[in-house]
Amino acid sequence: VQLEQSGAEVKKPGESLKISCKASGYMFIGNWIAWVRQKPGKGLEWMGIIYPGDSDTRYSPSFEGQVTMSVDKSINTAYLEWSSLKASDSAVYYCAHRGAALDVWGQGTRVTVSS
Amino acid sequence: DIVLMQSPGTLSLSPGERATLSCRASQNVDSDWLAWYQQKPGQPPRLLIFGASRRATGLPSRFSGSGSGTDFTLTINKLEPDDFAMYYCLQYGDSAWTFGQGTQVEVK
Repeated sequence: VQLEQSGAEVKKPGESLKISCKASGYMFIGNWIAWVRQKPGKGLEWMGIIYPGDSDTRYSPSFEGQVTMSVDKSINTAYLEWSSLKASDSAVYYCAHRGAALDVWGQGTRVTVSS
Repeated sequence: DIVLMQSPGTLSLSPGERATLSCRASQNVDSDWLAWYQQKPGQPPRLLIFGASRRATGLPSRFSGSGSGTDFTLTINKLEPDDFAMYYCLQYGDSAWTFGQGTQVEVK
């Protein structure tokens, strides 16, 4: 199982953004993918989880309405999207495979939002 | 949401000593779906323990997890230099998963 995330992003407040997490080494549609945020110098925050098989998505109440999770089954890729970024969205975002708990993690995507 | 409180915030120990980390939940964690992670600077978290007490593949036996319900413990016997890091617990039994705030294990 491997998860390869897209590269670092620098954006301005109000801009949109979609980051990706490409899965390999297992049946993509059969396992949930979670997203986790880590702000600079802070702890881990669970954002939500999506089932690629039918796009069933569960958001943390803290992130509901703030981000959108989606998948493209044809290319084994999960996405995390913002329609209007804020400075407070600056963080490293990880995707993780739901096997035994979250057992395999992507390398992280650093998102910097600054004017 | 289930709130996880980790203690202590920082644990200062010497190599060879035992580390005992606590994770206390505000409500019962269903089916003991509690995991422990190790994280080092600039790296993603690494799964250590799942199901409260089951070691991840390849994890040295000096790491062990215990507990049930609302009280869980991660024990690291005979600390090695590579073990000094941040540790987080995660509950994944509720519809909204949550992490603890972390315990830093540092060299005394």
